Amino acid sequence: DAGVIQSPRHEVTEMGQEVTLRCKPISGHNSLFWYRQTMMRGLELLIYFNNNVPIDDSGMPEDRFSAKMPNASFSTLKIQPSEPRDSAVYFCASSLGQLANYGYTFGSGTRLTVV
Amino acid sequence: GENVEQHPSTLSVQEGDSAVIKCTYSDSASNYFPWYKQELGKRPQLIIDIRSNVGEKKDQRIAVTLNKTAKHFSLHITETQPEDSAVYFCAPDNYGQNFVFGPGTRLSVLP
Repeated sequence: DAGVIQSPRHEVTEMGQEVTLRCKPISGHNSLFWYRQTMMRGLELLIYFNNNVPIDDSGMPEDRFSAKMPNASFSTLKIQPSEPRDSAVYFCASSLGQLANYGYTFGSGTRLTVV
Repeated sequence: GENVEQHPSTLSVQEGDSAVIKCTYSDSASNYFPWYKQELGKRPQLIIDIRSNVGEKKDQRIAVTLNKTAKHFSLHITETQPEDSAVYFCAPDNYGQNFVFGPGTRLSVLP
């Protein structure tokens, strides 16, 4: 298995532009998570899907952020419009089973820079 | 929600010495206790975990010990090597109800 695959690895965009991050979880993993990592706030959960259904999106900062999981092998995180404070590393992770009680496998992350 | 702390925040040891990192949590119902290692510029990776029915688990040079009464668990690394230098995170969980990572401990192994 190739693991959790994220794209792009790096993204530099101008303030106000739309950004779409992509994730392919490990086949057979039922849960998918989007985390954001910054020096100031550490690793923060943005949203979590179980069997393609959003379960907890309380970490999504505001309406500018949206996430979808149209099928078991693909998820997107979209920021529209982007702002400089959105600059961070965004990790997608997947987990075996219905809950996160089995540990996460993280993707390589997308480093987003908004200028 | 779960309140997670780690101590120390930074740790420097000489190569070959042992390192211990402690994670304290607030949710007494937590039942899963993992540790993740994140090397510079890389993804966090699960290195060891333990469940509440077990007090200690070892995997070669690393071990995790759990004290449920006191609500803390610790990562132990023996015979440290330069490649152990990284940031270590704990993420105690309660049947998938908590998604909080600790703030991290930066370990530096000095040659």
